[in-house]
Amino acid sequence: EDQVTQSPEALRLQEGESSSLNCSYTVSGLRGLFWYRQDPGKGPEFLFTLYSAGEEKEKERLKATLTKKESFLHITAPKPEDSATYLCAVHYTGFQKLVFGTGTRLLVSP
Amino acid sequence: DGGITQSPKYLFRKEGQNVTLSCEQNLNHDAMYWYRQDPGQGLRLIYYSQIVNDFQKGDIAEGYSVSREKKESFPLTVTSAQKNPTAFYLCASRKSMGQGSWNSNQPQHFGDGTRLSIL
Repeated sequence: EDQVTQSPEALRLQEGESSSLNCSYTVSGLRGLFWYRQDPGKGPEFLFTLYSAGEEKEKERLKATLTKKESFLHITAPKPEDSATYLCAVHYTGFQKLVFGTGTRLLVSP
Repeated sequence: DGGITQSPKYLFRKEGQNVTLSCEQNLNHDAMYWYRQDPGQGLRLIYYSQIVNDFQKGDIAEGYSVSREKKESFPLTVTSAQKNPTAFYLCASRKSMGQGSWNSNQPQHFGDGTRLSIL
């Protein structure tokens, strides 16, 4: 069964302390990998789409990378406003749906 | 501004009652989706529709029903047959190329959800 696993489940950082979130997926024909940010009580907000191994996308303090088995969301010098749950979703070839991970809850303390 | 509007934000259901969650989008997207989000679980697909007057069951369709009479609207009814309806419900839409459009990798965009609880 195609699965998406995110780690860690929760991450606490000090402001300015860079780190990475992981999203690993079973190898079964990746068509696209999506990163979203979700604030409490809100819907997920789209961040990035990655299509092929070696691809990178950046937005402000966030940088997403993709290999053949996993994706990383690197957060450089985070600020408290980066606190949120970050979701990863994968679109597999032949499947008419996205498979979502359970998310990483990020808390950035001032 | 273009976006996806879900209403109401909070909804309470009595036993034996059907309730309907509204989802409206003005993004001119063809495809629309309903997800359920429970603590500690990933989003699970309930129903999706790629075109008006057509929809398909997702992974957890039992106890739910939908309609797609207009491009802009995709209401979800939680029926009394759904025994564990307490959850956060999310509607999404996506720009697509028409039927069979899952080869497109346009991202899904989400509304701000409806939280359903049992009275």
